[in-house]
Amino acid sequence: QVQLVQSGAEVKKPGASVKVSCKASGYTFTSYFMHWVRQAPGQGLEWMGLIDPTGGSTSYAQKFQGRVTMTRDTSTSTVYMELNSLRSDDTAVYYCGRTAGQLEIDYWGQGTLVTVSS
Amino acid sequence: QSVLTQPPSASGTPGQRVTMSCSGSSSNIGSNNVYWFQQFPGTAPKLLLYRNNQRPSGVPDRFSGSKSGTSASLAISGLRSEDEADYYCAAWDDSLSGWVFGGGAKLTVL
Repeated sequence: QVQLVQSGAEVKKPGASVKVSCKASGYTFTSYFMHWVRQAPGQGLEWMGLIDPTGGSTSYAQKFQGRVTMTRDTSTSTVYMELNSLRSDDTAVYYCGRTAGQLEIDYWGQGTLVTVSS
Repeated sequence: QSVLTQPPSASGTPGQRVTMSCSGSSSNIGSNNVYWFQQFPGTAPKLLLYRNNQRPSGVPDRFSGSKSGTSASLAISGLRSEDEADYYCAAWDDSLSGWVFGGGAKLTVL
């Protein structure tokens, strides 16, 4: 069965970086793109970007360009999302989601809480 | 401030039909497909509708979607208590070259 398992919760100080992983199983890793979406406490959903696991090409939301990097490791079927220069308003649950096309996200990771606090 | 605008709340009684709106612009809803997600507290979102009105396998036909101009709507008929959740609309925005979401609407089943 398809599973996306994300890394555990993180606590970071302002200015630091965080790298969240999303390990895929149960399907051919390179056949589906992966979105990253975040949700601040009590707030709505926010799209961060997308990665093609085949060649590693990415597309980032304008808001995060220059601060986010999405990568993949095909040997372990894992995608990564690294966010730099963390601020308190980056405190959120970060989700990865497999897409069958456009925003047709059919499977999601369980979410990773990143807390940014001094 | 979300690019797509949703009234923050909606409510209905069991068995009723409720609709939730999502307003955008020519650069997003006006020229691209709309997606709807359902989210229960503490869980990941779930795709409810894609390409304006298509239901993924397993989504009951009580859920339907429509789009007209720069607005879209989600309708739920035969409302059930288990439909109480947050609902989000989303679309590609040509100006931003990215996916944008509405702020979400909390549905309460009275």
